[in-house]
Amino acid sequence: EVQLVESGGGLVQPGGSLRLSCAGSGFTFSSYWMTWVRQAPGKGLEWVANIKQDGSEKTYVDSVKGRFTISRDNAKNSLYLQMDSLRAEDTAVYYCARRSSGSYVYWGQGTLVTVSS
Amino acid sequence: QSALTQPPSASGSLGQSVTISCTGTSSDVGGYNYVSWYQQHPGKAPKLIICEVSKRPSGVPDRFSGSKSGNTASLTVSGVQAEDEADYYCCSYAGNNNYVFGTGTTVTVL
Repeated sequence: EVQLVESGGGLVQPGGSLRLSCAGSGFTFSSYWMTWVRQAPGKGLEWVANIKQDGSEKTYVDSVKGRFTISRDNAKNSLYLQMDSLRAEDTAVYYCARRSSGSYVYWGQGTLVTVSS
Repeated sequence: QSALTQPPSASGSLGQSVTISCTGTSSDVGGYNYVSWYQQHPGKAPKLIICEVSKRPSGVPDRFSGSKSGNTASLTVSGVQAEDEADYYCCSYAGNNNYVFGTGTTVTVL
């Protein structure tokens, strides 16, 4: 059974940093592009970033470029999102998702990040 | 990277059809056949219901269908059921390994 489990969310002050993790199991992690998607409270889904199977390609939504870094460790079947210079508008539930043929079949349960003083 | 445009709400009586539009540009919806649709119930993760414009993943009821014309994609729920009351989001490939979601539509079953 494919599982994605996020962790690392929490309360952080504006300007602070946080590192999210996503542990994958039940599939060959190194064979898939992986993605982070976020959802602010009461708002819609926003595609944040994705990373190629071997980590050689990474793309980001404009609003997080230069502040967030996506990475992966295929030996640990894990995806990461390093979030620096956090802003109030980054407050959201962050989901990791597995990309296949341009869509996302498998999602984690999400981890809440709250940026507030 | 502007969000795709969806109507904020849509509704239909039990058993009727409901159609949701998703309007983008030639750089996303109109340029690729990688439009997908997701259903999200409150407090839950999104669930894929349509991929590659019109393909239905295994286990998704056949009352869900997708199509595309130009820069606009559409999701139709034929014979809407009570359990279909949820938020729906489209998503499109936007080139250079970027993706964009729609603004979301809340479907109410009357």
